[in-house]
Amino acid sequence: SAVISQKPSRDICQRGTSLTIQCQVDSQVTMMFWYRQQPGQSLTLIATANQGSEATYESGFVIDKFPISRPNLTFSTLTVSNMSPEDSSIYLCSVEAGQLNYGYTFGSGTRLTVV
Amino acid sequence: QKEVEQNSGPLSVPEGAIASLNCTYSDRGSQSFFWYRQYSGKSPELIMFIYSNGDKEDGRFTAQLNKASQYVSLLIRDSQPSDSATYLCALLPMKTSYDKVIFGPGTSLSVIP
Repeated sequence: SAVISQKPSRDICQRGTSLTIQCQVDSQVTMMFWYRQQPGQSLTLIATANQGSEATYESGFVIDKFPISRPNLTFSTLTVSNMSPEDSSIYLCSVEAGQLNYGYTFGSGTRLTVV
Repeated sequence: QKEVEQNSGPLSVPEGAIASLNCTYSDRGSQSFFWYRQYSGKSPELIMFIYSNGDKEDGRFTAQLNKASQYVSLLIRDSQPSDSATYLCALLPMKTSYDKVIFGPGTSLSVIP
């Protein structure tokens, strides 16, 4: 199945600043998904990134706050902009593990703390 | 109604016992179902997928799907302390126009030595 390298693994950031998270996949994938997992919570989908088109955002998430790039079929970035303490979460990227029915593989996650 | 529901737990079982984790869903058209295991501080790891009614076994794990009753379960036989984790039920709903996996809130499992 696909292997994802995600970085940074963790960061502590000042409020008002921005952080860009990168995900590199070892194979070409059509869609990449960005999730947020707040402390003690399950995963919430932020957006779906297709190569060559704008990302599709879920309700409650906007492009100005979470801009996404998808320059090719193996790479994507998520930026958390103008951060506040409420943005402290784990951010995860995900791709199809193989055939769709085999589920999805996750990157190792980025643990973000905003102070 | 939430799309995927699970008991939050914690579910505690003694070592060697069978752990039973349950999940219900609202979208009757959902086709594919997944169980993920997430250790504290780690990312989710896919352990089982199922898309046909009935049972699917993989080692100590058995996934059960009943589409008529809209539930999916995960049985862990001979539970080990290393099975202590949060288990996330997930599915692919038919109503979405692209392939978006929906996750349940997770059930925390603790296996007591």
